[in-house]
Amino acid sequence: AQRVTQPEKLLSVFKGAPVELKCNYSYSGSPELFWYVQYSRQRLQLLLRHISRESIKGFTADLNKGETSFHLKKPFAQEEDSAMYYCALKRFGGGFKTIFGAGTRLFVKA
Amino acid sequence: KAGVTQTPRYLIKTRGQQVTLSCSPISGHRSVSWYQQTPGQGLQFLFEYFSETQRNKGNFPGRFSGRQFSNSRSEMNVSTLELGDSALYLCASSSVDAGPQVTRGSNTGELFFGEGSRLTVL
Repeated sequence: AQRVTQPEKLLSVFKGAPVELKCNYSYSGSPELFWYVQYSRQRLQLLLRHISRESIKGFTADLNKGETSFHLKKPFAQEEDSAMYYCALKRFGGGFKTIFGAGTRLFVKA
Repeated sequence: KAGVTQTPRYLIKTRGQQVTLSCSPISGHRSVSWYQQTPGQGLQFLFEYFSETQRNKGNFPGRFSGRQFSNSRSEMNVSTLELGDSALYLCASSSVDAGPQVTRGSNTGELFFGEGSRLTVL
């Protein structure tokens, strides 16, 4: 069965410190992985996708198939990064199904 | 383009009642997915519709049902409400048209979310 695990419910860091939000997945096929973010009083929205290999707002995420991980990283956290972050896995075949992890709340302290 | 619109935004029901939630996807999006969001469980997948057909269903009891209309608008219904059904119900649309034969990399099917319908069951 497909599963996405985010081991940390809450992550608190100081402004300017590096941040890493962990995500592990289980999936028998080749996954499509995403990070979604929900800022206070805003809709859940896409942050980045692994297939694009992009950096958004200073965040990057590398898919490690050997470790089945897709950790989200940023070298210098900003206060505006405080939000709820969800790792998601999209399954193709027989229709679409995107599975989300439980989410990690990131709090960046001044 | 207008975003995904969900109605009603808030509603209060009592146990045993039923509720219908509505979702209007972004124009041109044919895939609509529904999620239940709760503080303890995060986002739980309910179902996904494409061209009026339910293609995927999550692990929810039969009290949870949905449908999609020819204009891609979707509704979900919960019958015989229970206290545990209190949650934020999110709808998301996607522009990916193809099914299993979609070519990876051509369109990864980003989900665009609505603001949600917050259901409270008393």
